[in-house]
Order: sequence, then C-alpha cells, then structure tokens
Amino acid sequence: NAGVTQTPKFQVLKTGQSMTLQCAQDMNHNSMYWYRQDPGMGLRLIYYSASEGTTDKGEVPNGYNVSRLNKREFSLRLESAAPSQTSVYFCASSERSGYGYTFGSGTRLTVV
Amino acid sequence: AQTVTQSQPEMSVQEAETVTLSCTYDTSESDYYLFWYKQPPSRQMILVIRQEAYKQQNATENRFSVNFQKAAKSFSLKISDSQLGDAAMYFCAYRAPNRDDKIIFGKGTRLHILP
Repeated sequence: NAGVTQTPKFQVLKTGQSMTLQCAQDMNHNSMYWYRQDPGMGLRLIYYSASEGTTDKGEVPNGYNVSRLNKREFSLRLESAAPSQTSVYFCASSERSGYGYTFGSGTRLTVV
Repeated sequence: AQTVTQSQPEMSVQEAETVTLSCTYDTSESDYYLFWYKQPPSRQMILVIRQEAYKQQNATENRFSVNFQKAAKSFSLKISDSQLGDAAMYFCAYRAPNRDDKIIFGKGTRLHILP
C-alpha cells in the first residue's frame, strides 16, 4: 500500500547509545518531516526537508541529525541518546503546500 | 510566529450526542489552510478535515464539520452522532501557503465517548 513507512515501531536505548530512525515514502512527495510527540506538547517539528538535497531545522533540533538520502528516504539520527529524547517520533510527507501530511505509524522510543 | 491553541485538554460526550472541539490560531497571513487530525489509540495520525481560508464555506466530511470564523481566527470541529470509534486525541493544525511552510499543531484534545 502507498504511504509512509517508518522503522522500527518500538526501540529501547541506553543513555549514550546511537540509533537511526528510518522513513520512506512511495508517493513521490517532495517534502518530508520529522516530528516528536510528547504528552501535553502536541507534535513538535524536529527537522524537515523541502526537497531532495535540502534539510532545515525545526523547533526542537538539538540532539538530532537528519539525512535526505534520496527523494523517498529521510532518516533521523540520535548520536548520543538522552532520557529527554524519550518520545514518539513521526515521519510525514507532503505533496505540496496547502495539503495535509501523510504520516508514518510512529516510533515509540524509550531512553533509559 | 503562528500559533495554534486548543483550550480543552479533555472532553467527554455521550454516544450519539454532538460535541464541539475548540481551536484558535494566530497568524498575520490572509491565505492559509487549517486541518483537524485524529489520533486513535493505534497512534496513527488520520486527517479528518481540511479548510481553505479563502473559502467561506465550512468544510464537512460525513459526521464531521467545522465552524470556521476567519475574523475571530477560530476553527472548531463538530462531531455529530458521536460513536465509540470517535474516541481519540484530536489535533488542530495550521499551514501557511508557501512551499516550505510546515504544519503547526495544537497540543490536542482527548475526546472520550461515554456509552
């Protein structure tokens, strides 16, 4: 089925470990996004990529890096995980401005 | 900077009744887009309804409709004939029309459906 695929769905990390969250979309969307969702905070933008080859910081970029590998794939990397990064992470893509996002199913990350 | 405010962290409604979720936003733009997203316990984010600011007519999708008041910067969601499957977190969201503009989300309203 067409859509946004995120992996993994669940992950537990120890403080200081690194990991990469993978995201791929097959809808030929130009724009892709990474959000984190925390209780009472809604969804906050970490990084986004308006097109292949470009990335920009969002509201809460500290502690994260991203790579727009090609038009389909947009990965999020935690270099040294901290308990404050315990959250649910969503990848999303968009056809063009004015339309809503298509979301992945999310990754629940726990840092202990 | 644009902001989206949902003043009701939680709401409850009796099954088959009607409920309205409130949302206000702040922007200096005249052209923009507004959305309501539903997030059930499965965690999946589902687009419920979309409104274009330059259209005066309120958007509707089956039992879901909005009351869009542009001058008041208000965008409420009405759910008619509430069903148990409507229980979810609902997010109001705003998007400006420029190509790189991101969607800004409110903090959400958790809706409980009482049988």
